Amino acid sequence: DGGITQSPKYLFRKEGQNVTLSCEQNLNHDAMYWYRQDPGQGLRLIYYSQIVNDFQKGDIAEGYSVSREKKESFPLTVTSAQKNPTAFYLCASSIRGTGMTGELFFGEGSRLTVL
Amino acid sequence: AQSVTQLGSHVSVSEGALVLLRCNYSSSVPPYLFWYVQYPNQGLQLLLKYTSAATLVKGINGFEAEFKKSETSFHLTKPSAHMSDAAEYFCAVSKNPGGYNKLIFGAGTRLAVHP
Repeated sequence: DGGITQSPKYLFRKEGQNVTLSCEQNLNHDAMYWYRQDPGQGLRLIYYSQIVNDFQKGDIAEGYSVSREKKESFPLTVTSAQKNPTAFYLCASSIRGTGMTGELFFGEGSRLTVL
Repeated sequence: AQSVTQLGSHVSVSEGALVLLRCNYSSSVPPYLFWYVQYPNQGLQLLLKYTSAATLVKGINGFEAEFKKSETSFHLTKPSAHMSDAAEYFCAVSKNPGGYNKLIFGAGTRLAVHP
């Protein structure tokens, strides 16, 4: 079955540690995204990538980093510079190109808790 | 700039009653609009989307939404609520229709359904 796989589903981190969240898709989508979800605030865009080896900052990129070395993979690193990293992180993908309606397909999410 | 406002962070209905979740948008260009549903600790699933075709859009699970340009609204309705509809619902507008898709999400409305 095609879809987006995020791992781990739950992650605990001590303050000052970096942590990497995995996102893999087998939908053959060009574009991939990382969103952060906090209660009552909806989803906020962290980073997005339209093609391999290219990515752009979203609205809240500070304290995060990404890479896009393969079309299928878009890992997110939450660095120690992120002041409030406890949140639910969602990875998504979409078809790229004109004429597309642009709906996003989401993974199941990763919940990060900083102790 | 595009934005989305969802009126009511919590909505409670009785089983069998009408569900109405409100969404207003602002957009400088004709928008693409989406409704997503999220069950606890899961990713988002697309309910329906408006892409400038028919103004009344039917989605999954008996939901539908009507695009009203004069009111800049895209409210989500379902004639008869079911217990399984209890979830959080997000309205979203596309920031770049036809190209890569950077969605702007509302803050979400949590729907409770009681017997």
